Amino acid sequence: KAGVTQTPRYLIKTRGQQVTLSCSPISGHRSVSWYQQTPGQGLQFLFEYFSETQRNKGNFPGRFSGRQFSNSRSEMNVSTLELGDSALYLCASSISGGRRSPLHFGNGTRLTVT
Amino acid sequence: GIQVEQSPPDLILQEGANSTLRCNFSDSVNNLQWFHQNPWGQLINLFYIPSGTKQNGRLSATTVATERYSLLYISSSQTTDSGVYFCAVEQETSYDKVIFGPGTSLSVIP
Repeated sequence: KAGVTQTPRYLIKTRGQQVTLSCSPISGHRSVSWYQQTPGQGLQFLFEYFSETQRNKGNFPGRFSGRQFSNSRSEMNVSTLELGDSALYLCASSISGGRRSPLHFGNGTRLTVT
Repeated sequence: GIQVEQSPPDLILQEGANSTLRCNFSDSVNNLQWFHQNPWGQLINLFYIPSGTKQNGRLSATTVATERYSLLYISSSQTTDSGVYFCAVEQETSYDKVIFGPGTSLSVIP
């Protein structure tokens, strides 16, 4: 069974631009969640989707958004990039969400904003 | 929101030694998970353990939800155990939002 796939692996963007990251969950998993990892703040929860609905979100500005498609694939978008958005963005999938099933992570997308 | 603390923050072990990592949380949780992040950044789920004890090879974990802590035991450590160990919880009153602790950085030296 294929794992969680995130694309692209690396991205370099300029301040003010926008970026879209993609995540394909494990087959049969309907929950996808996103996390930002930085040396200073650690792993922080961005949002979680289940059956195309956002069920919870973290404390991030509205520049961070996401969506989930009917095939459970998910995308997250960051608009008007800032230097502080440089981070490793991790996506995780689970059968039904963290409350009942373990999370499985992809290898992440490393975003550098210059 | 819930606070998650991990100790120790850093740990250096000689290969073959045993260790115990601790995770404390400030509120009731629906579940708790332990992860290992290897030096290449990959996060691997070690245990899904809302309560009780589980074992997987040289690793075992115990969660005492009523006392709000969990322990991860690593026995006969190997250099491949190096990396950062995170615990993550889902607060009872905030479904589907998983909060990570700051991690324990482990270095196993030959």
